[in-house]
Amino acid sequence: NAGVTQTPKFQVLKTGQSMTLQCAQDMNHNSMYWYRQDPGMGLRLIYYSASEGTTDKGEVPNGYNVSRLNKREFSLRLESAAPSQTSVYFCASRGEGAVGGTQYFGPGTRLLVL
Amino acid sequence: AQSVSQHNHHVILSEAASLELGCNYSYGGTVNLFWYVQYPGQHLQLLLKYFSGDPLVKGIKGFEAEFIKSKFSFNLRKPSVQWSDTAEYFCAVRNTGRRALTFGSGTRLQVQP
Repeated sequence: NAGVTQTPKFQVLKTGQSMTLQCAQDMNHNSMYWYRQDPGMGLRLIYYSASEGTTDKGEVPNGYNVSRLNKREFSLRLESAAPSQTSVYFCASRGEGAVGGTQYFGPGTRLLVL
Repeated sequence: AQSVSQHNHHVILSEAASLELGCNYSYGGTVNLFWYVQYPGQHLQLLLKYFSGDPLVKGIKGFEAEFIKSKFSFNLRKPSVQWSDTAEYFCAVRNTGRRALTFGSGTRLQVQP
């Protein structure tokens, strides 16, 4: 199993450009998440999806949109990138089997917005 | 709103020293508790987790954590650190009414050889 994969690993954008961050998991998990990680602030939830076809806002959703394309894939889109969106983005997934469940994280996408 | 506090932002230890990293959370109901580690340039990996039962939880690489409900704490410990433990450590909490985790701001541990 590859676990959670993310593309691209690194991206540089100019202010106003758009891009989509891709995430896929092969663990048959229902729940998927997008977080951003900024220095001194830990990880903050952007959006999550409890199942295919559903998405919900997290703590910091402004400036982002998501699509749960199918059970495996959960993409994050920046329509008009801003320097404040310079960050490291992590995708995660979680199964429903065990009580509480454990989130498994992808390797991250490092985004720089100039 | 639920919050997680990690009071130590940067800890520097010598090899073989003992480690304790603090984690306190604000939610008063039933919670699931986690410690994740992020080695330089890598993604987050689960160190250990607490769902219920014995409040002393053992994880990988010799780490353990103790859940003290009365203090809303879930401190991470290791008796003797190694240089390879240099990493950033995140405490996270999930209450049973939410699907996502709330993370602390992280503690950067630097172990000097």
